Amino acid sequence: QSVLTQPPSVSAAPGQKVTISCSGSASNIGSSFVSWYQHLPGTAPKLLIYDNNNRPSGIPDRFSGSKSGTSATLGITGLQTGDEADYYCGTWDSSLSLVVFGGGTKLTVL
Amino acid sequence: QVQLVQSGAEVKKPGASVKVSCKASGYTFTSYYIHWVRRAPGQGLEWMGIINPSIGSTNYAQRFQGRVTMTRDTSTSTVYMELSSLRSEDTAVYYCARDRGITGQTSKKSFDYWGQGTPVTVSS
Repeated sequence: QSVLTQPPSVSAAPGQKVTISCSGSASNIGSSFVSWYQHLPGTAPKLLIYDNNNRPSGIPDRFSGSKSGTSATLGITGLQTGDEADYYCGTWDSSLSLVVFGGGTKLTVL
Repeated sequence: QVQLVQSGAEVKKPGASVKVSCKASGYTFTSYYIHWVRRAPGQGLEWMGIINPSIGSTNYAQRFQGRVTMTRDTSTSTVYMELSSLRSEDTAVYYCARDRGITGQTSKKSFDYWGQGTPVTVSS
């Protein structure tokens, strides 16, 4: 059971938009910055969003992040088949004293 | 360019230990924290701990306390993660990842570069 809660899967058609939610508590999302990672098994995870809503250089603006209270959201517009991957939110939990991740959301581009 | 290159796949028996290496290049090794994260089959990402390569200080997730040791060799810009008393549940791909924050400041707990992963299989 992950500390952060994500939907197990989401799907949408190419070109469409999808959002992935990440729900936590006051000791994690409520008091720390959130990052989002894209992971294709067999490859290294990739940082998509840091500090809630910032994109590293090289990440297209199709990817966006937001945070409100104890929840965060990753948005992906203009879906491409290459976006099919597992997506994870992550943050620091001050009560547990560790980095916590969501259980991951598998994105399928139909 | 920043690269983290990890050692190869390992197969271990229950009760044994494994030591995974992570060689950094393309930046000043002592300037950025390194974390270890694993992903077991069918599971999500799990944080194991962090090492400050500048001074060697570490902070481990409580569930790994007593079983994990993270060290560094500044002469080769390499970080090591050793996990002992292995059990089948430790079968996973182990990743090293660089923190976005510099070692003179608080860790950002956010990872901008990752190693390619090291599969570790624990089986009798």
